Amino acid sequence: GDSVTQTEGLVTVTEGLPVKLNCTYQTTYLTIAFFWYVQYLNEAPQVLLKSSTDNKRTEHQGFHATLHKSSSSFHLQKSSAQLSDSALYYCALSDPSNDNAPRFGAGTKLSVKP
Amino acid sequence: DMKVTQMPRYLIKRMGENVLLECGQDMSHETMYWYRQDPGLGLQLIYISYDVDSNSEGDIPKGYRVSRKKREHFSLILDSAKTNQTSVYFCASSLSAFSNERLFFGHGTKLSVL
Repeated sequence: GDSVTQTEGLVTVTEGLPVKLNCTYQTTYLTIAFFWYVQYLNEAPQVLLKSSTDNKRTEHQGFHATLHKSSSSFHLQKSSAQLSDSALYYCALSDPSNDNAPRFGAGTKLSVKP
Repeated sequence: DMKVTQMPRYLIKRMGENVLLECGQDMSHETMYWYRQDPGLGLQLIYISYDVDSNSEGDIPKGYRVSRKKREHFSLILDSAKTNQTSVYFCASSLSAFSNERLFFGHGTKLSVL
């Protein structure tokens, strides 16, 4: 089956510095959709980015991610972290060969310090 | 207003009691989901519903059942709750399971089984 791996449980970064959250995946299907969701404290998860095109950069709210099928990765990056970016971030994929329900990684908590 | 509503927000039950978690959406979405969120495990899919009375098991269905009699309502039932079912439960909806569209999440129900 499909799997999504987020290796860091916690990432701490100083405000204004760049941040990268890692996401790798395993799937045997070729046409899949990838997502990054963000969950602020006591809030519902909400979509941040979506991509299904190889090697195309997707951007939203200052964050960007590029799907690289050659390395099975969809890392999330931001050039300058803000205090308000502190949240729990999930990488997810939808596989139409399965039930197409998104499968999520374990999540990475981003903590931005002043 | 595009909303997924979950009731109740907090619930405490004793082991062996029955639990009913309710979810509603006002977007006429075909597909609805139940996930549970546990630290270090992320969001795990319990059930997916493609439409009224068209439900399918997710990755961790054991100990749960669902009911969808109207498109806008999706219930999760725990018959004889167990302590290891203590978790935060999220309901979500999407336009269609096969459109690769984003999920809209409710705010979650925090269930404690004592």
